Formats: sequence, structure tokens, C-alpha cells
Amino acid sequence: QVKLQESGPGLVKPSETLSLTCTVSGGSISSSSYYWGWIRQPPGKGLEWIGSIYYSGSTYYNPSLKSRVTISVDTSKNQFSLKLSSVTAADTAVYYCARHVPDNPNYFDPWGQGTLVTVSS
Amino acid sequence: QSVLTQPPSVSGAPGQRVTISCTGSSSNIGAGYDVHWYQQFPGTAPKLLIYGNSNRPSGVPDRFSGSKSGTSASLAISGLQAEDEADYYCQSYDSSLSGSRVFGGGTKLTVL
Repeated sequence: QVKLQESGPGLVKPSETLSLTCTVSGGSISSSSYYWGWIRQPPGKGLEWIGSIYYSGSTYYNPSLKSRVTISVDTSKNQFSLKLSSVTAADTAVYYCARHVPDNPNYFDPWGQGTLVTVSS
Repeated sequence: QSVLTQPPSVSGAPGQRVTISCTGSSSNIGAGYDVHWYQQFPGTAPKLLIYGNSNRPSGVPDRFSGSKSGTSASLAISGLQAEDEADYYCQSYDSSLSGSRVFGGGTKLTVL
């Protein structure tokens, strides 16, 4: 079955760029049936969708984060990545990657285990 | 303030039935977009519990059921067990937010 694993720095300084990678195993990221998404969860708070990408490079972003977010895909490595620029303490969160079933229904399954990113100097 | 509104907490005794509501609007649930539910235990990733309003992925007990009507959806858990104590989130699509995928604020289920 498909598994996802996030990786990247756990500490980022304010105003810098957060960078994370999600490695997909047990299936191809080039599947025509799925998008691949990022979701975050601040400590003690709820879930927020960040954005999603298709293997072709087509992207959807959360309008509230769009100006700071870039999601890219590397099909040769079966990976997709997240960059969030100009981070502040409000961007401190557990970041999850997930397979995104698009259109209607539009849900996320499965999810990676998540990685905590703290924004602090 | 989440686009989808859930009660912060619900509780029930073992064996009882509880429901968790998810209230949206005419631009998301009321527009016909599907609602999905996730279960999250402390320190772990969310897990898909219900998709497409009322469908259970393989392995999810039939004690869990979902429904949708108008601008709202509900998750029902019957025969409540101690292991059901977790956070539950609803999720849908909102057409008024440039195609944003939106989550409810989450509901903490306590088994008394």
C-alpha cells in the first residue's frame, strides 16, 4: 500500500523559507488518479490545507497562503516538495503530506506521519 | 474561524451512540460537495474514517456512519468504545474560496 514520509528541517528562523519533502513509496506519484497534498496543524489546533500538486506540475493552493507557497514534484524520485516563504511563529505546525483524491469527492488518504516545524530564532 | 463548524467536544458512555455535526453553507456542503471525516489520536496523523458522505474505507468498523443533509453533515458512532476517544474532523470543498479544501475545527470525543 502507498506510504508517505515527510522530511526536512525541524527548526526554521523567522523570515526564512520552510522547505519539506514528501517521499512516496508503494505506488507511483505519476498516477493519473491522484493529486498530492500538504496539510498543516498548529500545536493544539485544527487542520489547514496548504495546497496540492498533480504529477504534471499542476497546482492548487489555499488562497490564504498562496502568495508564500510553492509546491513542486520530482517524478524521478517519487517525491513532492513544499516551500513556504517569509515564515513567522504562526507557521509553527506539524506538516503532513497526503495523497489527494481530487474533484468530488476530494479527500486525503493516506497521510504521512507528520513532521513538526518550529519557527524560532 | 473554520468554514465548517463542529462542536468543540462531545461525550458519551461506553455502548452509547453519539453524533458529531458539521455545519457548512451554500458554497460547500449545501452546494453538493462531499463531506469526509477523519479520526486523529494524540500525536498521530489523521486517518480517513468516512469518505463521500457515508462510505467507510476498508477496515473501519460499521459502528461509524456518516450522513449529509442540506448544509450539514453528521458522523455517528454507535456502541461507543473507550478506543474511540479521539479528535474528529470533517472536510469538504468550498467554491467561494478559489477552490479551497476546508476542514472543520475538530471535535474532541470523550468516552466517559
